[in-house]
Amino acid sequence: NAGVTQTPKFQVLKTGQSMTLQCAQDMNHEYMSWYRQDPGMGLRLIHYSVGAGITDQGEVPNGYNVSRSTTEDFPLRLLSAAPSQTSVYFCASSYGRKGTDTQYFGPGTRLTVL
Amino acid sequence: SQKIEQNSEALNIQEGKTATLTCNYTNYSPAYLQWYRQDPGRGPVFLLLIRENEKEKRKERLKVTFDTTLKQSLFHITASQPADSATYLCAHPNSGYALNFGKGTSLLVTP
Repeated sequence: NAGVTQTPKFQVLKTGQSMTLQCAQDMNHEYMSWYRQDPGMGLRLIHYSVGAGITDQGEVPNGYNVSRSTTEDFPLRLLSAAPSQTSVYFCASSYGRKGTDTQYFGPGTRLTVL
Repeated sequence: SQKIEQNSEALNIQEGKTATLTCNYTNYSPAYLQWYRQDPGRGPVFLLLIRENEKEKRKERLKVTFDTTLKQSLFHITASQPADSATYLCAHPNSGYALNFGKGTSLLVTP
């Protein structure tokens, strides 16, 4: 199993550009989520999905879109990048959405918006 | 809303000693807490989960305690090694949809 994979690993954007961060998991997990991690802020939930076709907003959803057309994939779209979106982005998955389920994280995407 | 607080100051200890990290929470007692380890440039990795009705949980050199009276969880690493140097995060379930993470405590174990 590859676990949770994310691409790209690094990305530099200019303000106003759009892009998609890719996330895939091969563990047949029902639940997937996106976090951003900023110095001194910890991990903050952006969007999550409890299954194919079902998504919802987390704590900091503004400026991001998600969709879940398959169980395996959960891409994160930045519609018009802003410097405030400079961060490290982590995708995570778990078997279910109970708090007892272990979350498996990807290696992260480091995004810089100039 | 529930808040998770971890000591933001880095913890420096000598190899062989026991490292103790603290996770405090406000408001209601969460039904369980999870602890993760994060190495620089990598995603968090699950270590242990402790339930509200469990006083203590162990896994090899790791021990987690849960004190609902003090609203606190302690994470211990016994016989610490330089390879234990990392950031440790505690987290609790947030409305059942995701985990609410603390900011993490950085641990540095020196030889």
